[in-house]
Amino acid sequence: TQLLEQSPQFLSIQEGENLTVYCNSSSVFSSLQWYRQEPGEGPVLLVTVVTGGEVKKLKRLTFQFGDARKDSSLHITAAQPGDTGLYLCRRRNDMRFGAGTRLTVKP
Amino acid sequence: GAGVSQSPSNKVTEKGKDVELRCDPISGHTALYWYRQSLGQGLEFLIYFQGNSAPDKSGLPSDRFSAERTGGSVSTLTIQRTQQEDSAVYLCASSLARWTGTQYFGPGTRLTVL
Repeated sequence: TQLLEQSPQFLSIQEGENLTVYCNSSSVFSSLQWYRQEPGEGPVLLVTVVTGGEVKKLKRLTFQFGDARKDSSLHITAAQPGDTGLYLCRRRNDMRFGAGTRLTVKP
Repeated sequence: GAGVSQSPSNKVTEKGKDVELRCDPISGHTALYWYRQSLGQGLEFLIYFQGNSAPDKSGLPSDRFSAERTGGSVSTLTIQRTQQEDSAVYLCASSLARWTGTQYFGPGTRLTVL
């Protein structure tokens, strides 16, 4: 099993702050997906990144895929309480997810 | 059509009893997955179906856990002789084609074993 490491495990910040969370592996990803799970609900797909060095933006969220395709980051600008949730990454050709980053944004 | 649905939404049972959890995937989705999420934790993969067959059941934690899928649609996860450590949210997801597709998750079944 090729493991995905996500960091930090927990993150608690104030509304308006910026943050970055990471997803890393020792092996190359063919492609990677980020999901967000809000409290009491199932995860929802945010983005799929495929090409090394790729950057995708989704409103205040910026996703980056490392040049070597072994790591990815998610940066949130001016976080809002609605961003609170569990952020999960998943190698697209694997059914397993990373352990996730649990983000809390305080008003 | 509708998204992935799961029933019941909540289930409270006594230790030692059997439980059945149901998942209705999105119509036309050939792949179906079960995950378990303990309180405050990430997703633990349990089993994957492609059609009615289960090519990967490596995540089932013990022989008390079993799952089946009939007609390429509805799936049932059965836990026999439940234990307190089985308490968790059980999530089902489906995707259009194999595990490379985007997964669409149901709301989960919260199982509490007393």
